Amino acid sequence: EAQVTQNPRYLITVTGKKLTVTCSQNMNHEYMSWYRQDPGLGLRQIYYSMNVEVTDKGDVPEGYKVSRKEKRNFPLILESPSPNQTSLYFCASSLQGVGEQFFGPGTRLTVL
Amino acid sequence: DAKTTQPNSMESNEEEPVHLPCNHSTISGTDYIHWYRQLPSQGPEYVIHGLTSNVNNRMASLAIAEDRKSSTLILHRATLRDAAVYYCILRWMDSSYKLIFGSGTRLLVRP
Repeated sequence: EAQVTQNPRYLITVTGKKLTVTCSQNMNHEYMSWYRQDPGLGLRQIYYSMNVEVTDKGDVPEGYKVSRKEKRNFPLILESPSPNQTSLYFCASSLQGVGEQFFGPGTRLTVL
Repeated sequence: DAKTTQPNSMESNEEEPVHLPCNHSTISGTDYIHWYRQLPSQGPEYVIHGLTSNVNNRMASLAIAEDRKSSTLILHRATLRDAAVYYCILRWMDSSYKLIFGSGTRLLVRP
């Protein structure tokens, strides 16, 4: 089944403890992206990647890092999480960016 | 960024057609009109998109006004599974290919 998977689905952590949210897609898509969803603010793009080893900042990249070493994986790294990064995170992919984007099921992160 | 305006919520009866409106009076000639929906506790899901002509797919139809300042997503027979937040998104092809989600329309489907 064609899909985008994210792990973990739920995470509660404390301020400053490094964490990684994984994202993987099995559709051989070149484009991948991370969004965060907050009440009243909608979904906002954090980082995106047009292909392996090519990443760029979205609208809200502060406090986040990404890497794209393989086409299928696009992990989101929070080196020193803070409470304002408590949010619902979605990974998305598409064949070449211009078309339909496929979203993962989301990761609900709480930073205490 | 060109903006879209949608009603906050709409209600429908199961198995009846649903017309979800979207106004986008500042749309530019290169903006595509995309619709996504988000079911409860799930990620957004692509529904349909178009540029100028009306479009149909297995999920829905998209009717675009001749002046392109508004569009309507049509669900031909609403089911309980169609209860979701529907987002109308104008998309121009900048380098980020990001989707800009507004507040959307929450569709309630009555059995």
